[in-house]
Amino acid sequence: EVQLAESGGGLVQPGGSLRLSCAASGFSFSGHWMHWVRQAPGKGLVWVAHINPDGRTTGYADSLQGRFTISRDNAKNTVYLQMNSLRAEDTGVYYCARAGVLGGLDYWGQGTLVTVST
Amino acid sequence: QSALTQPPSASGSPGQSVTISCTGTSSDVGGYNYVSWYQQHPGKAPKLMIYEVTKRPSGVPDRFSGSKSGDTASLTVSGLQAEDEADYYCSSYAGSNNVFGTGTKVTVL
Repeated sequence: EVQLAESGGGLVQPGGSLRLSCAASGFSFSGHWMHWVRQAPGKGLVWVAHINPDGRTTGYADSLQGRFTISRDNAKNTVYLQMNSLRAEDTGVYYCARAGVLGGLDYWGQGTLVTVST
Repeated sequence: QSALTQPPSASGSPGQSVTISCTGTSSDVGGYNYVSWYQQHPGKAPKLMIYEVTKRPSGVPDRFSGSKSGDTASLTVSGLQAEDEADYYCSSYAGSNNVFGTGTKVTVL
């Protein structure tokens, strides 16, 4: 069974940093692109970043202005999101998702909540 | 990289059909056949309903169908059922990144 489990969320002050992790199981992790998607409270889904299977190709939402970095460790079946210079508007639930071989984001984790506040 | 435009809401009675539009540009929806649709119930993770414009993952009812014309993609839900009441989001590949739509709340009357 495919499972994605996010962790690392919590309360952080503006300007702070946080590292999210997403542990994958039940599939060949090193064969899939992985994505992070976030959702502010009561708002819509926003694509954040993606990374290719070998970790050498990444892409980010323009709005992040270089503050976030996606990475992966295929030996640990884990994808990460390093978030720096956090702002109040970064508050929300962060989901990791697997890109299916056939297309689309076919499996999602349950999300981890990040709150940026004093 | 602006969000794709969706109507905020749509509704229909049980058994009826509802169609949701998703308007982008030639740099995303119009430029690639990589449009996906997701269903999200309150408090739950999104679920993939359509990928590559028209394809349904295994397990998704054939009441759900997708199409595209130019810079606008559409999701049609036929034979509406109570469990179809949810938020729906489109998404498109946009070159080196991806973009989601603004979301549509579907209400089953």
